Amino acid sequence: KQEVTQIPAALSVPEGENLVLNCSFTDSAIYNLQWFRQDPGKGLTSLLLIQSSQREQTSGRLNASLDKSSGRSTLYIAASQPGDSATYLCAAQAGTALIFGKGTTLSVSS
Amino acid sequence: EPEVTQTPSHQVTQMGQEVILRCVPISNHLYFYWYRQILGQKVEFLVSFYNNEISEKSEIFDDQFSVERPDGSNFTLKIRSTKLEDSAMYFCASTLGETEETQYFGPGTRLLVL
Repeated sequence: KQEVTQIPAALSVPEGENLVLNCSFTDSAIYNLQWFRQDPGKGLTSLLLIQSSQREQTSGRLNASLDKSSGRSTLYIAASQPGDSATYLCAAQAGTALIFGKGTTLSVSS
Repeated sequence: EPEVTQTPSHQVTQMGQEVILRCVPISNHLYFYWYRQILGQKVEFLVSFYNNEISEKSEIFDDQFSVERPDGSNFTLKIRSTKLEDSAMYFCASTLGETEETQYFGPGTRLLVL
């Protein structure tokens, strides 16, 4: 059974800092891995999708990597801003289902 | 930009009552999903739906739950007899393909069972 874990659970950084969020999954037989952003009480906004054959994807200040063999993905956020404050979720797709981690809650202070 | 919409945004119901949560997926998408998130917990997969059939369901999706695509635009989740533990945020999602596409999520329906 696929399990997804995210470390750390919470992170506080000053504005401008670069940071890395970690995601690990137990079963490497995934179709893809997706990163989402969730603001308090809101829905999930897709940030990046990495296909199982890919190593990384970039969108603006965000870069996500995938290492299937080690069961790990990272989300790199460059030059963090207060508007980046949110919970970041990773999800591994096994079958049709997305299996989510519990998220990393990021707080960026100005 | 096309988006997934859900109604209602909030619903309060009494234990034992039936509720229907509604979703309008992105118009050209073919695969539809329901997930739920109990407060403070992980987002959990409930069911996927394609070509008017359930593709996959989780252990959570028992006989109390059902899904339907009653017309060309709506996708519904019915809970027949709600329990206190059904209180959660329910998210609908849709995607064009089965495994190679981003799943796009709606804003959610917050269900409170009293």
